[in-house]
Amino acid sequence: DGGITQSPKYLFRKEGQNVTLSCEQNLNHDAMYWYRQDPGQGLRLIYYSQIVNDFQKGDIAEGYSVSREKKESFPLTVTSAQKNPTAFYLCASSINGEQPQHFGDGTRLSIL
Amino acid sequence: SQQGEEDPQALSIQEGENATMNCSYKTSINNLQWYRQNSGRGLVHLILIRSNEREKHSGRLRVTLDTSKKSSSLLITASRAADTASYFCATARSNTGNQFYFGTGTSLTVIP
Repeated sequence: DGGITQSPKYLFRKEGQNVTLSCEQNLNHDAMYWYRQDPGQGLRLIYYSQIVNDFQKGDIAEGYSVSREKKESFPLTVTSAQKNPTAFYLCASSINGEQPQHFGDGTRLSIL
Repeated sequence: SQQGEEDPQALSIQEGENATMNCSYKTSINNLQWYRQNSGRGLVHLILIRSNEREKHSGRLRVTLDTSKKSSSLLITASRAADTASYFCATARSNTGNQFYFGTGTSLTVIP
């Protein structure tokens, strides 16, 4: 079955540590996105990529980094520069920028 | 904020009743989409309405769009307990390439 997979489901970060969240899709979608969701809030765009080897900052990119070396994969690194990383992180993909997005089931990141 | 705003923030109804939630946005759009999120899960796309459409139906869902008022509504008829979830509108802005902007969501509780 086609879909989008995020791992791990839960992740804990120590102070000063970088952590990487995985996002893989087998839908053959060109566009991929990373969102952050805080409790009771909507989604805020961190980074998005329209094509392999290209990505753009969203509204809250500071303290995060991404790569898009393969069409199927769009990992997100939460760096130590992100001072408030505790949140629910959602990855999504779509055929193009205007079509419906398919979401993974998220990674919940907490601070130890 | 460039995000949309849903109204109400929370809604509680009895099973069998209709649920209406509204979305307002600020800029011109190419389309508007509604998504559903069950607790702790990713978002699931429900319906897309284009800027030149005024109403769209899908099963028990009815969506309207008024571009002059920059608003949309989602009606769920004959609600079921399984409809309990958060509902978000998302706008594909007409001049930002592949960026979506999500609203803050309406939390719907359907009481059996």
